[in-house]
Amino acid sequence: NAGVTQTPKFRILKIGQSMTLQCTQDMNHNYMYWYRQDPGMGLKLIYYSVGAGITDKGEVPNGYNVSRSTTEDFPLRLELAAPSQTSVYFCASRNGGNTIYFGEGSWLTVV
Amino acid sequence: AQTVTQSQPEMSVQEAETVTLSCTYDTSESDYYLFWYKQPPSRQMILVIRQEAYKQQNATENRFSVNFQKAAKSFSLKISDSQLGDAAMYFCAYFPDSNYQLIWGAGTKLIIKP
Repeated sequence: NAGVTQTPKFRILKIGQSMTLQCTQDMNHNYMYWYRQDPGMGLKLIYYSVGAGITDKGEVPNGYNVSRSTTEDFPLRLELAAPSQTSVYFCASRNGGNTIYFGEGSWLTVV
Repeated sequence: AQTVTQSQPEMSVQEAETVTLSCTYDTSESDYYLFWYKQPPSRQMILVIRQEAYKQQNATENRFSVNFQKAAKSFSLKISDSQLGDAAMYFCAYFPDSNYQLIWGAGTKLIIKP
């Protein structure tokens, strides 16, 4: 009964470092999403994918990259971390229906 | 542009009373879905209720119900018999049938007074 699993849950990065947030889902969902949520704000879409091998930019893609080599996995890569990327990151997935399932979030601090 | 507006940044209610959170949206689509998500301090996103635009009947889930006014593009959430565990941020979201993305409101912080 895993659903959407994100790792790591917490991470502190130094400015200029890079890292990958992992996301995997075991529901065979085609659609996957990465959001960020800044303090006191709503969710902003970073990237999304409609299936393996297909990704597209969302509202705030700068500074990030994604790949979707399998249906299950949708990692988010941060290159050259900046303090502005301090946020909570959510991975989500859905099938052809209209309910989105969220991971528990990854807290990232860039210092 | 499709937008979702939650005009109440913060609401408070006495425990056991009823509170209504407002949400309006702008769209030219006829088929879409609307959602209310709850986000407690743990930051987990929890689906509270969803509404299909083609259904005229308002959705209900236990103490949670919506007032969906399609012509007015309004989708308010009513919480009856408020409990301390209802304290959270509540986000309204719109999902057009023709798109892949949810469009989110800015959220309403709900405070429950004991």
